Amino acid sequence: RKEVEQDPGPFNVPEGATVAFNCTYSNSASQSFFWYRQDCRKEPKLLMSVYSSGNEDGRFTAQLNRASQYISLLIRDSKLSDSATYLCVETRGGTGKLIFGQGTTLQVKP
Amino acid sequence: EAEVAQSPRYKITEKSQAVAFWCDPISGHATLYWYRQILGQGPELLVQFQDESVVDDSQLPKDRFSAERLKGVDSTLKIQPAELGDSAMYLCASSLGIGFSQETQYFGPGTRLLVL
Repeated sequence: RKEVEQDPGPFNVPEGATVAFNCTYSNSASQSFFWYRQDCRKEPKLLMSVYSSGNEDGRFTAQLNRASQYISLLIRDSKLSDSATYLCVETRGGTGKLIFGQGTTLQVKP
Repeated sequence: EAEVAQSPRYKITEKSQAVAFWCDPISGHATLYWYRQILGQGPELLVQFQDESVVDDSQLPKDRFSAERLKGVDSTLKIQPAELGDSAMYLCASSLGIGFSQETQYFGPGTRLLVL
């Protein structure tokens, strides 16, 4: 079983739609969680950290459910520029090593 | 804005040849990571350095891969001999401190390797 699991998609949505991605993790010792965005043939870039209390950054909302061991990302009012792969990431104590899911691809259509 | 530099950006080689990738982290960043990303998958850590010391190389195929960060600044990742399955993007990342889980890692643009 993969340590971090995501639905690879692709998710095809029209502009203006609301879309949500979920991600599950297998290790209850996981400490920190992030969403990274990766454009085609580019490096991953940090989108946002994920906290137990949930956090929001503009049109993006991230939630963490430790009891069920899943993380979610909600994107409201999708833009064409949101088209990318969204990587769910966890870390555990000690080294800061990032453990990535395989990514979920989002295509926003006009 | 400071960036992580990597070279070359693209490399095509034949199997059994040797290849080397270079990374220059953001100035002052103590921790340096090498990740490998196979097409359609997320990046996976190969090796992590704290200054010049290896912190984690548990996923590095040591029979063919080697990595060094001799002066605790820039780093080189080498593959010898390259195999077809090594075709992937090799990403370098750095972070300021000693690898705390909350620290932001900054990624370089990657080296895309194709082994023929």
